[in-house]
Amino acid sequence: DVKVTQSSRYLVKRTGEKVFLECVQDMDHENMFWYRQDPGLGLRLIYFSYDVKMKEKGDIPEGYSVSREKKERFSLILESASTNQTSMYLCASSSRASPYGAYEQYFGPGTRLTVT
Amino acid sequence: AQKVTQAQTEISVVEKEDVTLDCVYETRDTTYYLFWYKQPPSGELVFLIRRNSFDEQNEISGRYSWNFQKSTSSFNFTITASQVVDSAVYFCALSGTGGGADGLTFGKGTHLIIQP
Repeated sequence: DVKVTQSSRYLVKRTGEKVFLECVQDMDHENMFWYRQDPGLGLRLIYFSYDVKMKEKGDIPEGYSVSREKKERFSLILESASTNQTSMYLCASSSRASPYGAYEQYFGPGTRLTVT
Repeated sequence: AQKVTQAQTEISVVEKEDVTLDCVYETRDTTYYLFWYKQPPSGELVFLIRRNSFDEQNEISGRYSWNFQKSTSSFNFTITASQVVDSAVYFCALSGTGGGADGLTFGKGTHLIIQP
């Protein structure tokens, strides 16, 4: 079975702190993704990576950065946490796309981050 | 641009009733994949099904069935004899060659409540 793990289920940080969210997958997937999920807004893509050391901005990259030093690990960094970054953060991974489109993504359990 | 619309924000039914979740999509791609995910209260998105645009046969898996109609750009999900454990948020998603690299376009989700 595909397994995607995230370092914390719940996290509370103070405004201005640097926050690291870690994600690890064990299926040798090329692609990894970070989303945030907020009520009424659905899933919004923050960043994704299709290879080690490669990254692409998603729909809402402002205030975030990412790091992918190893294939199995994808980190999301909040450089200076703010209250509007309080959210559920979901990591996902997938195989490289077929000629017909992207394959399914497998998700981790999520990290509920509260910034006070 | 791709788009997925789940017009039903919330559905509430009594246990044992059948329920259908609607999904309508827009894409300019001629080949693409469609997906359904389940997000129970625990928060982790669980992959349910992938269908490709070539195959309009309906799919059945136990109490779950999916109806793909290319003519109406719809990919609806029916749960037969619903159970309380089916309570969750359900997301429909789309991928294709025209989307962001290896990415999925998600609908905003339908919150399904099964009352005992």
